[in-house]
Amino acid sequence: ELKVEQNPLFLSMQEGKNYTIYCNYSTTSDRLYWYRQDPGKSLESLFVLLSNGAVKQEGRLMASLDTKARLSTLHITAAVHDLSATYFCAVPSNFGNEKLTFGTGTRLTIIP
Amino acid sequence: EPEVTQTPSHQVTQMGQEVILRCVPISNHLYFYWYRQILGQKVEFLVSFYNNEISEKSEIFDDQFSVERPDGSNFTLKIRSTKLEDSAMYFCASSETVYWTSTYEQYFGPGTRLTVT
Repeated sequence: ELKVEQNPLFLSMQEGKNYTIYCNYSTTSDRLYWYRQDPGKSLESLFVLLSNGAVKQEGRLMASLDTKARLSTLHITAAVHDLSATYFCAVPSNFGNEKLTFGTGTRLTIIP
Repeated sequence: EPEVTQTPSHQVTQMGQEVILRCVPISNHLYFYWYRQILGQKVEFLVSFYNNEISEKSEIFDDQFSVERPDGSNFTLKIRSTKLEDSAMYFCASSETVYWTSTYEQYFGPGTRLTVT
């Protein structure tokens, strides 16, 4: 059974600082997705990582995927308050249109 | 931009009642999913649906749950006899099925908050 773990679960950081969220998964997958969720809202797609070594950047967020290590990272650069949200990684179980197994989520709070 | 829609946004029901949650997936998508998220917890897979049949379901998706595509646009989740522990946010998602170019990305609807009292 696929297990997806994120750490940390909670992250409180000051504006302007850098930090990294880690997502580990237990079985082979060549794809991984990152989502953002604001309180009471839906899941907003942030990054689609499709292969080993994939790196995507959008603004102050950068995501990478190492399929050999079964590890993805979401790096935050010079955090701003708008980035406060819960971030989930999600891993598909098999090739194709298969179910996603979500990580536990990282609740990020940016402190002025 | 096409999006997944869900109705209602919030449903309050009494324990033992039946509820139907409705979703309209993105029009050219062929794979549909239901997920749920209990407050403060992670998102959990319930069921996937393709070609008018369930392709996969989780242990959560027991005999109290059913899904249907009653027409060309709607996709529904029915809970026959709701329990207190069914209280959660229910998300519908859809993805396209283009094997050689697709990212298989799932697009999520805004969710239906189900409260069972």
